[in-house]
Amino acid sequence: DIQMTQSPSSLSASVGDTITIICRASQSVDIYLNWYQQKRGKAPELLISSATTLQAGVPSRFTGSGSGTHFTLTVISLQPDDFATYYCQQTYTSPRTFGQGTRIDIK
Amino acid sequence: EVQLLESGGGLVQPGGSLRLSCAASGFTFDTSGMSWLRQAPGKGLQWLSAISASGDGTYYADSVRGRFTISRDNSKNTLFLQMHSLRAEDTAVYYCAKDLGVIPAAIWGQGTLVTVSS
Repeated sequence: DIQMTQSPSSLSASVGDTITIICRASQSVDIYLNWYQQKRGKAPELLISSATTLQAGVPSRFTGSGSGTHFTLTVISLQPDDFATYYCQQTYTSPRTFGQGTRIDIK
Repeated sequence: EVQLLESGGGLVQPGGSLRLSCAASGFTFDTSGMSWLRQAPGKGLQWLSAISASGDGTYYADSVRGRFTISRDNSKNTLFLQMHSLRAEDTAVYYCAKDLGVIPAAIWGQGTLVTVSS
């Protein structure tokens, strides 16, 4: 199975900060990578697919980059609604494994 | 509007069985691949299984292969997950999700809680 490793596992940030989450794959997944946001008690929502494609309705302050084994999710100027947990998932092959998640808390 | 409504969760004893359903609406069900995923309490997300739009192709995580079976009834716009030999570690919120074109698991339901305990 392809292992997905996210870093950091958690971080504290303030409104207006820019943050970056890293997701590494144990082998190449090309660009087949999704990023999800999950708020407490809610189902995950897809933010970015194919490593860089922002989904409809997702604010442009979210940016995905990368290919192969190294990916990043950047959020420019954090807003109160962005404090949540973020997961990467490779969709290159089954099983479609997830990273362990990155929780963003308010500093 | 796409809607996915999971049902069938509940309390089951270890070794027991349960069948989850996911009622879909707001899209053409028989053209969309579907998935089941889960989240144990306080833990991360886990992909479990996927099925092609026609139902011909099915895929499983090793942890559930042989115990869980994914299926669909395209005439009733419903996805299923039949679960057998349930274990305490299967306790989780179970989500169904639909593909969006070639994007797997793009839209998720709200989930149904399965608790495996004696």
